Amino acid sequence: TAGITQAPTSQILAAGRSMTLRCTQDMRHNAMYWYRQDLGLGLRLIHYSNTAGTTGKGEVPDGYSVSRANTDDFPLTLASAVPSQTSVYFCASSDGTEAFFGQGTRLTVV
Amino acid sequence: RKEVEQDPGPFNVPEGATVAFNCTYSNSASQSFFWYRQDCRKEPKLLMSVYSSGNEDGRFTAQLNRASQYISLLIRDSKLSDSATYLCVVNLPGANNLFFGTGTRLTVIP
Repeated sequence: TAGITQAPTSQILAAGRSMTLRCTQDMRHNAMYWYRQDLGLGLRLIHYSNTAGTTGKGEVPDGYSVSRANTDDFPLTLASAVPSQTSVYFCASSDGTEAFFGQGTRLTVV
Repeated sequence: RKEVEQDPGPFNVPEGATVAFNCTYSNSASQSFFWYRQDCRKEPKLLMSVYSSGNEDGRFTAQLNRASQYISLLIRDSKLSDSATYLCVVNLPGANNLFFGTGTRLTVIP
């Protein structure tokens, strides 16, 4: 079973460039999330979506945008990357009880 | 103030030892509580949910104290394979958001 899939698994991106991190789930979960994980800071919520067609801001939304056109996909876009966005990004989905995570995307902005 | 706070450790314990982690949360209306495990360079995965009455799964015991707003995880007879980072997770009401603590790193030493 696929579960939740992220792409790419890693990327080096020049500052100022844009990029979209992809996230797809096949569990038909309504809720989806994007987190970034940095050493010493743990997982911080960037954006979330409770259901298709709706999104909300998390703890650290600045510099990121999301869309939820359908239940399965929840892409995260960096419009103009900055070095402080170097991080490991995790997408997750939830059935209201347990959250399932993708394998993560390691992004380095140089 | 962060929604969820944990002692980051690290905890270095010998095989066979008993170790306990605590986590505090700030929102008294929090509804659901979990412990996740994250191995190095991997995604977090659910270890166990935490119920009001306390619950046990083999060597692992989770407790919830709503009055003091903390949850705990007890690991008995530690194994080398228990080495990981343990994340405390709280589900806030309404927004269906999962908030993570920064994690407690455990290393079990032979």
